[in-house]
Amino acid sequence: SAVISQKPSRDICQRGTSLTIQCQVDSQVTMMFWYRQQPGQSLTLIATANQGSEATYESGFVIDKFPISRPNLTFSTLTVSNMSPEDSSIYLCSVVVAGGNEQFFGPGTRLTVL
Amino acid sequence: AQSVTQPDIHITVSEGASLELRCNYSYGATPYLFWYVQSPGQGLQLLLKYFSGDTLVQGIKGFEAEFKRSQSSFNLRKPSVHWSDAAEYFCAVGAGSGGYNKLIFGAGTRLAVHP
Repeated sequence: SAVISQKPSRDICQRGTSLTIQCQVDSQVTMMFWYRQQPGQSLTLIATANQGSEATYESGFVIDKFPISRPNLTFSTLTVSNMSPEDSSIYLCSVVVAGGNEQFFGPGTRLTVL
Repeated sequence: AQSVTQPDIHITVSEGASLELRCNYSYGATPYLFWYVQSPGQGLQLLLKYFSGDTLVQGIKGFEAEFKRSQSSFNLRKPSVHWSDAAEYFCAVGAGSGGYNKLIFGAGTRLAVHP
């Protein structure tokens, strides 16, 4: 397994601003992902965070809106840019540990955009 | 396209009763299937997974699931529900290479437990 922390745990932001969410893992992982969970909805994969290169985005998500960095094996950030109320969601990072075959999820960041 | 259907949005059971949560998937190849639980204010916790082999898999917290290829189903079961099992349950299929990335989630089933 892995211990995953996310910062901040929650935030309330004004429209038009940006928020960067951090994901830190206590062990080396092979893969990191970012998901969005809109209110009352299921999880949708935003992108795969690739170490040292551009993230791989899923259909409907673009780098300008959700820039992602992954400078090393244990850390990644997701920025939600130019926010609108529709971006109010829980954002979760997940990881696959080295030698593993399942995703472990962080506690999530609850974002509210006013 | 790959998809996961959880037909039941809400389920209410009495404590001590048995439980079955339904999950149907659509996937062209052999699916990698997962059940996660999300308790209020918590992240997702993996209950169990199926990759291959025995179609009845055991998980944590007394849960089990049975893979039925002919029915494209992966239903979650528990013989006796505890009040602490009240949570949201998500079925997912691994749609990417390796089977454990690019998870596609179902809409979830919210479980309420009556004392």
